[in-house]
Amino acid sequence: GAGVSQSPSNKVTEKGKDVELRCDPISGHTALYWYRQSLGQGLEFLIYFQGNSAPDKSGLPSDRFSAERTGGSVSTLTIQRTQQEDSAVYLCASSMRTSGSYEQYFGPGTRLTVT
Amino acid sequence: EDQVTQSPEALRLQEGESSSLNCSYTVSGLRGLFWYRQDPGKGPEFLFTLYSAGEEKEKERLKATLTKKESFLHITAPKPEDSATYLCAVRRWSDKIIFGKGTRLHILP
Repeated sequence: GAGVSQSPSNKVTEKGKDVELRCDPISGHTALYWYRQSLGQGLEFLIYFQGNSAPDKSGLPSDRFSAERTGGSVSTLTIQRTQQEDSAVYLCASSMRTSGSYEQYFGPGTRLTVT
Repeated sequence: EDQVTQSPEALRLQEGESSSLNCSYTVSGLRGLFWYRQDPGKGPEFLFTLYSAGEEKEKERLKATLTKKESFLHITAPKPEDSATYLCAVRRWSDKIIFGKGTRLHILP
């Protein structure tokens, strides 16, 4: 497919377990963003990648959250020792970072529920 | 502190009743303002990018405008299929994107 894909679409986990969320960006898009969206809230910026490097990690809520990107393509967001407050929809977006073209294309999200 | 504030939080209109959504922002080094549409259970869908005060863009029944402090999304003669949450976002000089909480728009047939 031509769009951003995310997996899994839904994840239910027990408090204290680790989870990995995956994002496949649009082919050729060099920038990749992770956001978190809680019920009734706007999108909360988590981290941004340009290529494989992350110039801005300021949005990661705690050291339990980490992300990596390999080969300038797939990215994984890992949450260790999950807590109930981590329950949210995690959205990934990619963009072609060319002059004047910074619009982001979003995936469908992963709904994480921590019980 | 960088902030994006959208108003109103929710808006109900009759089909054909035109209105405007507001996005006010305070951000250092603005490098672009974006509007997105989000349907329930889906990721946001890109609508417009605006870069400088006075700029306007249109798409079907939607028109976005930008000043130095705010942006408006004007909806002309809306239809029920325009019902969605509309999100505003700004890009800082550092490439960080800051989103507002959105306006939930409901168009009644």
